[in-house]
Formats: sequence, C-alpha cells, structure tokens
Amino acid sequence: DAGVIQSPRHEVTEMGQEVTLRCKPISGHNSLFWYRQTMMRGLELLIYFNNNVPIDDSGMPEDRFSAKMPNASFSTLKIQPSEPRDSAVYFCASRSSGSVDEQFFGPGTRLTVL
Amino acid sequence: GEDVEQSLFLSVREGDSSVINCTYTDSSSTYLYWYKQEPGAGLQLLTYIFSNMDMKQDQRLTVLLNKKDKHLSLRIADTQTGDSAIYFCAESSSASKIIFGSGTRLSIRP
Repeated sequence: DAGVIQSPRHEVTEMGQEVTLRCKPISGHNSLFWYRQTMMRGLELLIYFNNNVPIDDSGMPEDRFSAKMPNASFSTLKIQPSEPRDSAVYFCASRSSGSVDEQFFGPGTRLTVL
Repeated sequence: GEDVEQSLFLSVREGDSSVINCTYTDSSSTYLYWYKQEPGAGLQLLTYIFSNMDMKQDQRLTVLLNKKDKHLSLRIADTQTGDSAIYFCAESSSASKIIFGSGTRLSIRP
C-alpha cells in the first residue's frame, strides 16, 4: 500500500483565498484524522471520522474550517477564507479498527498564507 | 480533559543514552505510545505499551510505565545521529482518539 496520501504537499496562497487540502487514507482503514502542527501550538487534532462520519470536530478552530469525507477513500479539509494564522503543516492520518490504536500519518501539507 | 505533557527539548551526546519523559492525566488510558517524527515527515509509531505492563524492551528502546504516577519514559540506548527527531508521547482510552503531547525535540551532539 502507498500509505496515506496527501495533496498538495505545499500550498502558498493569499489571505482571503479558499484552500482545499486532500487526503486518501490507507485502503481498509475506517478512521481518519486531520491534525495541524505549528511551532507555537504543537500538534492539534482538528477533527476525526469513523466510517466516514464526523465524530469529534471540537478541535476545528472556527467556522472558516470545514471537513468532509464523502467516501471511505477520500477526505477534504477546507479553509475559507484563509488567514495568515492558518499557516501550518496539516496532517491526515488513518487507522484501522483493532486493539492497538496505531495511526498512520501522511507526509503533510505545508500551508503558507501570505 | 485529558492532557499529555513532555519537555520540549533534549540534547545528548552521540553514544550516550537518551531518556525522554512524559506525564499524562487520564487514569483510564489503555495504551501509551511513542511516535517519532523525522524532519519533513509525518509521525510514525515507534513503540507502545499496554497499560497493565510496566516495561517493554525492543532492541535499543526501553519503555517504562509508572501507572501510579502516570509517568511514561522512553530510553534510547547508544543514541545515534539518526535518532534526531521529535518524539511524541501519546495515550488513548477511547476507541479512536489519541491524545498527543507537544513533542520532545531530540538533538544529538558529537
């Protein structure tokens, strides 16, 4: 398996623009997580899905952020409108059901909002 | 709510042992984990320990768990330059959600 795939790997945009980050989880995994990592705040869980259903979105910063998982093999994280403080590395991770909660992380999308 | 805390930085000499410490608050933790993040990459599970164990050894890695004090440590023996990374302590008690610490950046000096 190719692992968790994220696109784009790098995104530079201007304040006010819409940004869409994409994630393809590992085939067969039934949980998907979106994280944000910054120097100031470390690793933050934004939202996670079980079987394509959002379970906990309490980490989503504000209404400008939204996430969808239309099917088991695809998820998006959208920021509209983007702001400079959204600049961070965004990670997607997936997990299969089982006793050990190992999450497999994608390589991340480095977002820079100017 | 649940919280996981660890120091931000650790510097060790090449060949020495590294010990990274972590404390957590959730007494119902089922598993505790150490993830490793190398530069420019996502996190990768390094090792884990079930909450009814107090020690786990895997080659150069030793995990110690003090459940009473809610303290977890990771010891890396004979630290090498390739061990330079950020190490995240994490715990889980629910079926899906993992709580991560802020990460400890390990740097190796010659």
